[in-house]
Amino acid sequence: QKEVEQNSGPLSVPEGAIASLNCTYSDRGSQSFFWYRQYSGKSPELIMSIYSNGDKEDGRFTAQLNKASQYVSLLIRDSQPSDSATYLCAVNPAAGNKLTFGGGTRVLVKP
Amino acid sequence: EPEVTQTPSHQVTQMGQEVILRCVPISNHLYFYWYRQILGQKVEFLVSFYNNEISEKSEIFDDQFSVERPDGSNFTLKIRSTKLEDSAMYFCASSEFGRARGETQYFGPGTRLLVL
Repeated sequence: QKEVEQNSGPLSVPEGAIASLNCTYSDRGSQSFFWYRQYSGKSPELIMSIYSNGDKEDGRFTAQLNKASQYVSLLIRDSQPSDSATYLCAVNPAAGNKLTFGGGTRVLVKP
Repeated sequence: EPEVTQTPSHQVTQMGQEVILRCVPISNHLYFYWYRQILGQKVEFLVSFYNNEISEKSEIFDDQFSVERPDGSNFTLKIRSTKLEDSAMYFCASSEFGRARGETQYFGPGTRLLVL
């Protein structure tokens, strides 16, 4: 069973601080990695995708990938109360198109 | 901006009844997916569909489930005889190319299914 693991949280951060979220995956052949944001009762919304080792920045978000360690992370800079949501790590395994999701990390940004 | 749409937003049904969930993927996308999320649990893959046939399915997608693209725009998920444990949020997703070109999947708003 190919797994994606995340700390469920909640991760509580003050407004303006950096939120750091982590994700590990078991399928070493995985090629594509995604961070989605999910508000309660809503659908997953894509934040970022990353395919190569290293960092990828998009606005206040930075994704980091380390395939050797089977680890992907997301940094949220200057956290805002509107960033309060569950962040889902999703991995495309070595074979097929499906996404395997982690259980999500709940983030609470306190004003 | 193009988006995936789903109908209905909510569906309540009796155990044993058939339900059809409908989706309109993004118009130039070639790959379509169904996922489900039981309340408080992970998003789980059900099935992927390409070129009018199933390309991959999970263990959850048993004989009670079927998918169809009845016309050029709709993509449906049918549950033949619903069970209590089918109660979940069902998400449709689509992607333009699939894994060969990078397969960002865009999700619809979901259908919340409640089986009584």
